[in-house]
Amino acid sequence: DAKTTQPPSMDCAEGRAANLPCNHSTISGNEYVYWYRQIHSQGPQYIIHGLKNNETNEMASLIITEDRKSSTLILPHATLRDTAVYYCIVREYNAGNMLTFGGGTRLMVKP
Amino acid sequence: ETGVTQTPRHLVMGMTNKKSLKCEQHLGHNAMYWYKQSAKKPLELMFVYSLEERVENNSVPSRFSPECPNSSHLFLHLHTLQPEDSALYLCASSRQVGQNTEAFFGQGTRLTVV
Repeated sequence: DAKTTQPPSMDCAEGRAANLPCNHSTISGNEYVYWYRQIHSQGPQYIIHGLKNNETNEMASLIITEDRKSSTLILPHATLRDTAVYYCIVREYNAGNMLTFGGGTRLMVKP
Repeated sequence: ETGVTQTPRHLVMGMTNKKSLKCEQHLGHNAMYWYKQSAKKPLELMFVYSLEERVENNSVPSRFSPECPNSSHLFLHLHTLQPEDSALYLCASSRQVGQNTEAFFGQGTRLTVV
């Protein structure tokens, strides 16, 4: 079962904000939203996660809607090195890291 | 550099060969994982180990045999593979299996079965 829906691809101009959407309309109350990214030929890299409040770290911001049915990952100033596949994953707090990856969004940052 | 190291980075093997993939982490993590990423497909979880004990096996064929001798090392033994087993094999570790902590992935081993 796909718990999340993401657009297959997006473009973003270098230096601009990249806003990556994710739908998770069947999310339950104890499930968190996680974001990972995978740069070509490398392993996935953790970005950020949240439950219901917006979160920010040195890499990105995560905005979760009030009903928690969707979220947006924001890269405030995208660089060429941010070109990657971005995965939005929903999982329970105690599910550990048995992560279930979907197709993700392929973000292309262009000069 | 994530702290999770996989060797070799690339491997080409025949269908009758036996080879092993190695994963090592010095992050003090207790949980380790094997994932498979085939071309044009999402990552698939294969095996999960917690404190050297296997806790998850997602219907993986027996030609893939994991081994976790200690919490820092994880192996994937391969024998009589098929060409469709060609993929990127990724190892990951995390502090615990049942906790809300991030996973750290290695760079992967690109396996080609000929």
